[in-house]
Amino acid sequence: QVQLVESGGGLVKPGGSLRLSCAASGFTFSDYYMTWIRQAPGKGLEWVSYISSSSSYTNYADSVKGRFTISRDNAKKSLYLQMSSLRAEDTAVYYCARWLTGYYSFDYWGQGTLVTVSS
Amino acid sequence: SYVLTQPPSVSVAPGQTATITCGGNNIGSKSVHWYQQNPGQAPVLVVYDDGDRPSGIPERLSGSKSGNTATLTISRVEAGDEGDYYCQVWDSGTDHVVFGGGTKLTVL
Repeated sequence: QVQLVESGGGLVKPGGSLRLSCAASGFTFSDYYMTWIRQAPGKGLEWVSYISSSSSYTNYADSVKGRFTISRDNAKKSLYLQMSSLRAEDTAVYYCARWLTGYYSFDYWGQGTLVTVSS
Repeated sequence: SYVLTQPPSVSVAPGQTATITCGGNNIGSKSVHWYQQNPGQAPVLVVYDDGDRPSGIPERLSGSKSGNTATLTISRVEAGDEGDYYCQVWDSGTDHVVFGGGTKLTVL
């Protein structure tokens, strides 16, 4: 079955960097767009970034543009989010999710990884 | 930027019908999706493309749109339906994904 497993979260100081990973299994990873979505503690969902199946196209929320970089390795069936210049407001659970082809929605989500930005 | 507006909370008795709304400018021209999230868990897609259900989602959950409002309707509400519900669209103008603020459904 489809599985998405995030890793790489943790505690980081403001201004620091962190790289999140998402390991995919149970489907042909290279056929799907993928996305990162985050949720600050006690808050709602916020879309962060998405990447096309071949990495030819990416897009970012205004709140992270210029600081975060999404990438993927189809051979390794993995999605990544490189986060730099981290701020307290980046503290959140970060979910990777699979794009439902043709519908701009997300049909499978990982369990999330917590990123805490604090001194 | 595009904004989706949801009521913060909705309460309903077991067996009754819950209605969760999602308002947005010209939402009628957009495809609306809905997610359910239970505490401590990842969101689950329950309705996509306004009114289609992924496999495994009961028919009690249905989506619709009218004017500038999309609606998620949950019939014969059960205790297990409690949780947070989010609507979502894709804004073609910015090529960004947009979520509503979420609605907490409480089963009395």
